[in-house]
Amino acid sequence: AQKITQTQPGMFVQEKEAVTLDCTYDTSDQSYGLFWYKQPSSGEMIFLIYQGSYDEQNATEGRYSLNFQKARKSANLVISASQLGDSAMYFCAMREAVYNQGGKLIFGQGTELSVKP
Amino acid sequence: DTEVTQTPKHLVMGMTNKKSLKCEQHMGHRAMYWYKQKAKKPPELMFVYSYEKLSINESVPSRFSPECPNSSLLNLHLHALQPEDSALYLCASSQDDRGHVNTEAFFGQGTRLTVV
Repeated sequence: AQKITQTQPGMFVQEKEAVTLDCTYDTSDQSYGLFWYKQPSSGEMIFLIYQGSYDEQNATEGRYSLNFQKARKSANLVISASQLGDSAMYFCAMREAVYNQGGKLIFGQGTELSVKP
Repeated sequence: DTEVTQTPKHLVMGMTNKKSLKCEQHMGHRAMYWYKQKAKKPPELMFVYSYEKLSINESVPSRFSPECPNSSLLNLHLHALQPEDSALYLCASSQDDRGHVNTEAFFGQGTRLTVV
């Protein structure tokens, strides 16, 4: 069963506007971590932001914020003031607290974001 | 230094060749990973090394052989690959894998492998 769902294969946003990338997840664990990564065409996976399941505040990192709604099991990424350099693939990922399971990071299918000038 | 370095960046190999992919990190991380990624798809976990021991093999064919010579290095030995093995191979590391959910993984730039 897919644990991370990103329902938007592709998104367009105008430069300088905000955009929300959706992510829902499924877990029975109480303790888990949610991550967003950016992957430009060069291939490198760049860590953007982290949200822990016990964190009461939504995570923010510069222009990135995570809209965490635990009851709905959603962890949407909000990018404010989009820039041309934000055009990339974005992956939502989850890590569950399973000791000695290799700290598996499970990825969603990704959303390809294109920023228009 | 938050860098994971992978070499080579590009590799073209024949189906009868033997080659190796290399990954290096100097962050003191004790968990290292190999992922395979096809175009427009998410990374798929292949192997996990924890404290230099193989802890997870996600049913990867034996033509892929991982090796962790020390805590900073991770290799992936390739032999008798098929054209469908062509993909981006990503190496990652994290502090450890001892159930800490806030442990982010740092990724290298990947090796783009083409099997001809």
